[in-house]
Amino acid sequence: DAKTTQPPSMDCAEGRAANLPCNHSTISGNEYVYWYRQIHSQGPQYIIHGLKNNETNEMASLIITEDRKSSTLILPHATLRDTAVYYCIVRVNNAGNMLTFGGGTRLMVKP
Amino acid sequence: GAGVSQSPSNKVTEKGKDVELRCDPISGHTALYWYRQSLGQGLEFLIYFQGNSAPDKSGLPSDRFSAERTGGSVSTLTIQRTQQEDSAVYLCASSPDRATQETQYFGPGTRLLVL
Repeated sequence: DAKTTQPPSMDCAEGRAANLPCNHSTISGNEYVYWYRQIHSQGPQYIIHGLKNNETNEMASLIITEDRKSSTLILPHATLRDTAVYYCIVRVNNAGNMLTFGGGTRLMVKP
Repeated sequence: GAGVSQSPSNKVTEKGKDVELRCDPISGHTALYWYRQSLGQGLEFLIYFQGNSAPDKSGLPSDRFSAERTGGSVSTLTIQRTQQEDSAVYLCASSPDRATQETQYFGPGTRLLVL
């Protein structure tokens, strides 16, 4: 799986959009961008994934650059419950492909 | 619908004892993974089950660790003769059929403390 680079920490004001960047300059054509998060003392939670088109679901939006070398996860209206470590993972979309988390970004949503 | 469930949520045991950790995957999911996560660390892959295929045991750290999946659903991870370094959160994840996109859904984990 391609290596990803994320800032170690970010702050966001409650109610504002949280924009979490991820660099994946060595991504291959068949690798997807996945985002997971882990709230303290809980298991990881899937957020969203995409290949090259921007994606949106009830939790977040994923913006992938045209060259696919970077992406941004957007939480449109961050709440205190969104405080977590956010992991950007680039991986081939095969069953049996275990997840490997890097350092992630520790997002602190402040009132 | 119901997510992945794990039991017990917490387990304290003495060094040398055996422990069994249980995972109930999402109904219909054919793939099941076990990971562990030590405090402040990333995920460590342990074992992977897919349908009736032989499991991928490549992540098991020693022969004290074993896992089974009965009937293609519930899985049990067994640690024999526990050691203090086995203390960690043990996470189970499941994902749907390999023909679909492979997103893993995690349970809440079992926090194991070996004294």
